[in-house]
Amino acid sequence: AQTVTQSQPEMSVQEAETVTLSCTYDTSESDYYLFWYKQPPSRQMILVIRQEAYKQQNATENRFSVNFQKAAKSFSLKISDSQLGDAAMYFCAYRPQGAQKLVFGQGTRLTINP
Amino acid sequence: EPEVTQTPSHQVTQMGQEVILRCVPISNHLYFYWYRQILGQKVEFLVSFYNNEISEKSEIFDDQFSVERPDGSNFTLKIRSTKLEDSAMYFCASNLLAGGTDTQYFGPGTRLTVL
Repeated sequence: AQTVTQSQPEMSVQEAETVTLSCTYDTSESDYYLFWYKQPPSRQMILVIRQEAYKQQNATENRFSVNFQKAAKSFSLKISDSQLGDAAMYFCAYRPQGAQKLVFGQGTRLTINP
Repeated sequence: EPEVTQTPSHQVTQMGQEVILRCVPISNHLYFYWYRQILGQKVEFLVSFYNNEISEKSEIFDDQFSVERPDGSNFTLKIRSTKLEDSAMYFCASNLLAGGTDTQYFGPGTRLTVL
């Protein structure tokens, strides 16, 4: 069974600095999709960034970028120039090719210190 | 921007009672999902629904659970006889396509408390 592990239950960073959230996953598949979701205190999960496993180029979305290491089964999220509005729970998720379900990690609670 | 909505935001029920959690997916979306998150644990997939049928379900989604799209806009999750361990946050999600990196849009969740 596929599993997703986020080894950092909590992280904190100073405003304007850079933080990296870790995610590893376990799968025997070669084609799949990876996602980072953000869940602010209002509790609605919002997609931050996504990556296709067949693409070697790391995805970027403004201040958010990923470091996708397929061989290591690692998918970390880097947030540059952290802002107070980035404070949230961040979930890493995996979706197998041909399936619809998302498999989530445990989440990392990110605190931004002003 | 269109959103997935869920009602109620909090439901309290007695063990053994039936509950129905309601969701209104984004209007042109075709695929619908329920996930749950027990306090302090991972978000877990329950079921996906397409073309008025269950397309995928997890081991958690046993005979106590059912889903329905009764009127073309609502998407409901019914728990027939609630147990204490059903207490969790239940999230509805929807997306337009099933494959690739198509985004699943999540609702704000319904907190179910079983006493």
